[in-house]
Parts: sequence; C-alpha cells; structure tokens
Amino acid sequence: QSVLTQPPSVSGAPGQRVTIYCTGSSSNIGAGYDVHWYQQFPGAAPKLLIYGNNNRPSGVPDRFSGSKSGTSASLAITGLQSEDETVYFCQSYDSSLSGSVFGGGTKLTVL
Amino acid sequence: QVQLVQSGAEVKKPGSSVKVSCKASGGTFSSYDISWVRQAPGQGLEWMGRIIPIFGTTQYAQNLQGRVTISAAEFTNTAYMELSSLRSEDTAVYYCARGLPTAKDAFDIWGQGTMVTVSS
Repeated sequence: QSVLTQPPSVSGAPGQRVTIYCTGSSSNIGAGYDVHWYQQFPGAAPKLLIYGNNNRPSGVPDRFSGSKSGTSASLAITGLQSEDETVYFCQSYDSSLSGSVFGGGTKLTVL
Repeated sequence: QVQLVQSGAEVKKPGSSVKVSCKASGGTFSSYDISWVRQAPGQGLEWMGRIIPIFGTTQYAQNLQGRVTISAAEFTNTAYMELSSLRSEDTAVYYCARGLPTAKDAFDIWGQGTMVTVSS
C-alpha cells in the first residue's frame, strides 16, 4: 500500500487533456512538502517530468504541467499523444516516515 | 553531462547480502544527494535511502533500517548500496539517482538499474 494514492489507470483520446491525481496526507503533501512527477517506460529508469510541484526540467514539453493544493497534487497532460502512453508516478517527502515516498503509479492509455 | 553507471545483475541466496555500485561518469556527485530506489517486478517505486557523499551523511527508509547500508567513495565518484539478510521479496531492480540541489527528493539523473534476484 503506497503512502501516496494514485488511480491505477487513466485514459484519453489523442489531442485531449488528462489529469492524474496524487492524494497524500498531513504528513507529506499536506505538510507543504514538494511533489515531483516521473514518467517510466517499460524496461527503463524513471524520468523526472515535474519537480517542485510545477517546474519542468529542461527538455520536458510544456504539454506537461503540475499543481498542488492541500493534501493533493495533479499532473496534467494536454494535447495527448500516443507516445505519452506509459506509467506515471508522484513523489513527495513524508515527515512521519522521515523519507521520500512514491505513489503506486498510474498507467495512461491513449485511446 | 553526468551519467550514473551501475554494476551488473546479481543472483543471491536468501540470507546473503548484495552490494551494488553506482559510478558517476562525466562529472562528480560529491555535492549532490544520491538516493537508492528499488522496483519489484510489476510494482511501484520504493525509496531506500540516501547519502550526501561530501559529508558522508546517510538517511534510510524506516522499513529497511538495519538491513541497508549506503556508502560512497568520493575519490572514485562511486556510491554503494548493500542490502543484507536477503529474502525473496527483495527481488527487484535497484536504481541509484541524483537529487536536485534545490529539491533533494527530485531525482534528475538515474542509473540504468541493477536487477537483483533472490532465489534458493
């Protein structure tokens, strides 16, 4: 059971917008700790997509954006493309566990 | 651009230990956090712990305390993760990853991963 909760799957048609939510608690996201998002393709290491809630590393398209409110965060992907079809993970810090925690991952399917 | 290159796949017996290395090429990592993250087959990501090589300070996930040891050798730009008392549930791909200076829990550079299989 992951400390951060993500839906197992989401889907959308090409060109549409999808949002992946990440729900935490008062000891992690709700305590003000930053949320980061990763994209992972099968057999590959995760790739940092969003850091510090809403910042994109160099090279990440602006179709990807992040936000945070209260005990939750979200990753939005606009202009959905077939190559976006993969798994996405959220991450934050948890003060009760004194360490970094991840969500269980969300599989994005492009219809 | 810094790359993190990990050691090769391992097959271990239950109860034994494994030590995985992570070498920075194309730069140094001494001033960055290096974390270790594992991923069991078909499962999510689990943070195991971190080290700041320049200080040698470490932090470990509570559920792995006592079984995991993270170390670093600055002069070789190499970090290590040793996991002891291995059990079948430790079968996973183990990654090292560099934390951003401004957001140490955001990992911008990852190693290629090391598969560790625990089997009798």
